[in-house]
Amino acid sequence: GAVVSQHPSRVICKSGTSVKIECRSLDFQATTMFWYRQFPKQSLMLMATSNEGSKATYEQGVEKDKFLINHASLTLSTLTVTSAHPEDSSFYICSAPPAGGETQYFGPGTRLLVL
Amino acid sequence: KQEVTQIPAALSVPEGENLVLNCSFTDSAIYNLQWFRQDPGKGLTSLLLIQSSQREQTSGRLNASLDKSSGRSTLYIAASQPGDSATYLCAVMDSSYKLIFGSGTRLLVRP
Repeated sequence: GAVVSQHPSRVICKSGTSVKIECRSLDFQATTMFWYRQFPKQSLMLMATSNEGSKATYEQGVEKDKFLINHASLTLSTLTVTSAHPEDSSFYICSAPPAGGETQYFGPGTRLLVL
Repeated sequence: KQEVTQIPAALSVPEGENLVLNCSFTDSAIYNLQWFRQDPGKGLTSLLLIQSSQREQTSGRLNASLDKSSGRSTLYIAASQPGDSATYLCAVMDSSYKLIFGSGTRLLVRP
């Protein structure tokens, strides 16, 4: 099946720094990728939809200036958490549907801890 | 706004039991419904996908049903095993391919 990777798998950073998370589709192209956030013992919440070649669309309540999304190619989307705070500590997961498909393939997730 | 609810939140059963996980959603205008498995600290594994026009899907010991009109789905696990212990997530996909997740059911199968 299709494979989606995320890097890094785990990151610890100091409050106020920025952290970049990469999401790659390894064997298919994806014009759209989705970014989710999952707090401990809670479900996944969609943060934003990343669109190749255009601006991302953000869900209500998600600050676009804090969570910068860049979808520069058909296989790569990046999420940058700017000026991270402890409350941003969470599990961030991306997903990508192969072009024209409805099935989404999920990355393994990135665990962010902001001290 | 679509809301997805899963009951129970947690379940503990002895090995070998058959069990049912429940999922309900408020807006029946869905594209499909999917069941996922998530192990602690890991990503998601897709288990079953039911199209809006379908009633059920089966894979091995798993069977998922969908009643779109009543906004319900069930995941049936037959002859449960300790390796089935995980969190099971139900998600509905809307027409823009967005997935809305339930809060999950944490399953523990005791040896």
